[in-house]
Amino acid sequence: AQTVTQSQPEMSVQEAETVTLSCTYDTSESDYYLFWYKQPPSRQMILVIRQEAYKQQNATENRFSVNFQKAAKSFSLKISDSQLGDAAMYFCAYRRRGGADGLTFGKGTHLIIQP
Amino acid sequence: NAGVTQTPKFQVLKTGQSMTLQCAQDMNHEYMSWYRQDPGMGLRLIHYSVGAGITDQGEVPNGYNVSRSTTEDFPLRLLSAAPSQTSVYFCASSPLGGEYIFSGELFFGEGSRLTVL
Repeated sequence: AQTVTQSQPEMSVQEAETVTLSCTYDTSESDYYLFWYKQPPSRQMILVIRQEAYKQQNATENRFSVNFQKAAKSFSLKISDSQLGDAAMYFCAYRRRGGADGLTFGKGTHLIIQP
Repeated sequence: NAGVTQTPKFQVLKTGQSMTLQCAQDMNHEYMSWYRQDPGMGLRLIHYSVGAGITDQGEVPNGYNVSRSTTEDFPLRLLSAAPSQTSVYFCASSPLGGEYIFSGELFFGEGSRLTVL
């Protein structure tokens, strides 16, 4: 079974600074997707960024980028120029291609932005 | 532009009562699923469906029933609620087939907070 581990229950960063959230996963599959979801206090699950395992290039979305290390099974999220609106729970998630069993989530990292 | 709609958003039950959480999506997605979210536990899969008439269990299925009679709807039933089922429940859907439409992403409803006393 796949597992996803987020080792940082809580992180704090000053506004405008850069922060990196860690995620490791375990799978025997070679073709899969990785995601970072954001959950603000409204509890809506918002997709931040996705990475396809067969793509070596790291995904980027504006201020959000990932460091995908397939061999190490590591998938960290970097948030540049942190903004107050980035404060939320962040979940790392895995899904194998064609995965009818859905996403496997980590336990989340609570990100605090200090003004 | 509705996406995934869950009702109700909040519900309080007494132990032993039954209820149904409704989920509907208007994106013609084959795949639908239910997750529960508990503090410090992330989201865990309860049940999922890959199409009308097809359902299967996820990681934490005990105490919950599902059915899928249409592509659009995927209700979650609690037959005899227990305090351990106090949680936030999310319904999520995605397409399944075809390289050009399968991005892996799940589309989530806004969640339903259930309290069992």
